[in-house]
Amino acid sequence: DGGITQSPKYLFRKEGQNVTLSCEQNLNHDAMYWYRQDPGQGLRLIYYSQIVNDFQKGDIAEGYSVSREKKESFPLTVTSAQKNPTAFYLCASSLDRGEYGYTFGSGTRLTVV
Amino acid sequence: DAKTTQPTSMDCAEGRAANLPCNHSTISGNEYVYWYRQIHSQGPQYIIHGLKNNETNEMASLIITEDRKSSTLILPHATLRDTAVYYCIVRGTGTASKLTFGTGTRLQVTL
Repeated sequence: DGGITQSPKYLFRKEGQNVTLSCEQNLNHDAMYWYRQDPGQGLRLIYYSQIVNDFQKGDIAEGYSVSREKKESFPLTVTSAQKNPTAFYLCASSLDRGEYGYTFGSGTRLTVV
Repeated sequence: DAKTTQPTSMDCAEGRAANLPCNHSTISGNEYVYWYRQIHSQGPQYIIHGLKNNETNEMASLIITEDRKSSTLILPHATLRDTAVYYCIVRGTGTASKLTFGTGTRLQVTL
């Protein structure tokens, strides 16, 4: 079945460490997105990519980095520069044209210990 | 992208219709109305979308007013599994257009 997979589901990080969250899709979608969600809040866009080897900052990109070397993969690195990284991270993908909506992964919950 | 306004929370009895309103008074002509829902600690799930005509699928119906400034998502027979946060989003079709989430409506379905 086609879908979008995020791993791991839960992740613990020590302060000062970088950590990379995985996102893979086999939907042949052009665009991929990373969102952050804090408790009781909506989703905020971190980065998005409309095509391989190209990506743009979203509303809260500081302290994060991404790469898009393959159409299927869009990993997110949470760097030590991110001051408050504990959150629920969601990856999504879509066809980058027309009225198509997004397909979301099941999320990664990152906790800084 | 236009902003939306939704009530913070709503209750609905199981088996009854749940009607979730959304205001999007600044919507422009090429922007669609999308509805997603998010069950606790899961990724958002697409429900339905529309431009100006009413839409129906196996999950829900979407009623858009003639002036397109508001819409209503209808779950015809709510069940306990419909308890979730429901997001109303407007989005254009351009390549730079993205889904922007607000805080949504928390729907609680009760026995």
